[in-house]
Amino acid sequence: QSVLTQPPSVSGAPGQRVTISCTGSSSNIGAGYDVHWYQQLPGTAPKLLIYGNSNRPSGVPDRFSGSKSGTSASLAITGLQAEDEADYYCQSYDSSLSGSAVVFGGGTKLTVL
Amino acid sequence: EVQLVESGGGLVKPGGSLRLSCAASGFTFSNAWMSWVRQAPGKGLEWVGRIKSKTDGGTTDYAAPVKGRFTISRDDSKNTLYLQMNSLKTEDTAVYYCTTDLGYCSGGSCYSGWFDPWGQGTLVTVSS
Repeated sequence: QSVLTQPPSVSGAPGQRVTISCTGSSSNIGAGYDVHWYQQLPGTAPKLLIYGNSNRPSGVPDRFSGSKSGTSASLAITGLQAEDEADYYCQSYDSSLSGSAVVFGGGTKLTVL
Repeated sequence: EVQLVESGGGLVKPGGSLRLSCAASGFTFSNAWMSWVRQAPGKGLEWVGRIKSKTDGGTTDYAAPVKGRFTISRDDSKNTLYLQMNSLKTEDTAVYYCTTDLGYCSGGSCYSGWFDPWGQGTLVTVSS
């Protein structure tokens, strides 16, 4: 069970908007640690999509956007395209009495209908 | 072009050892924090551990499941990151990725940041 909770799957038709949630707690997202998002196309390594909650690396289309509020974060994809079909992961940092560590969400499979 | 290339994966018996390497190019490796992240077959991403740059102390941190069994090291003269894995278990079977860790230190504490770029990964299979 992952420290950060994501829906296992989401889907949308081409051109639509979808959002993927990432729910944490007071020891990670709620403690103020940044959230980052990765896209993993089938059979490939993960690729950075959003860093620092809402920043896009160069080359990432502005159809992708991120936000964070309280103990949760969200990734939004507008103008859905077939090439967006992939697994998406959120990542943050967790610090508690038992120690500190990088934490990932369990991943969300996006299906473009 | 920034590039990370892992090697050293393979089949190993439970209780055995394996050393992975990650060759870096296209950036100043000695200034970079580096992390290992793994992905079991059909599963999600799991952070394994991190090594800071020598400038920031060169210290290491590990995830609980591998602490005491895995060791991360670096050779800045060779631009290479290593992951020594001992006492391997079947649950360590995964693709292992090396990645640059955009971490930082603030107020006496250090934190991993985002990971970019990633290598292509190397598969480690622990099975009898």
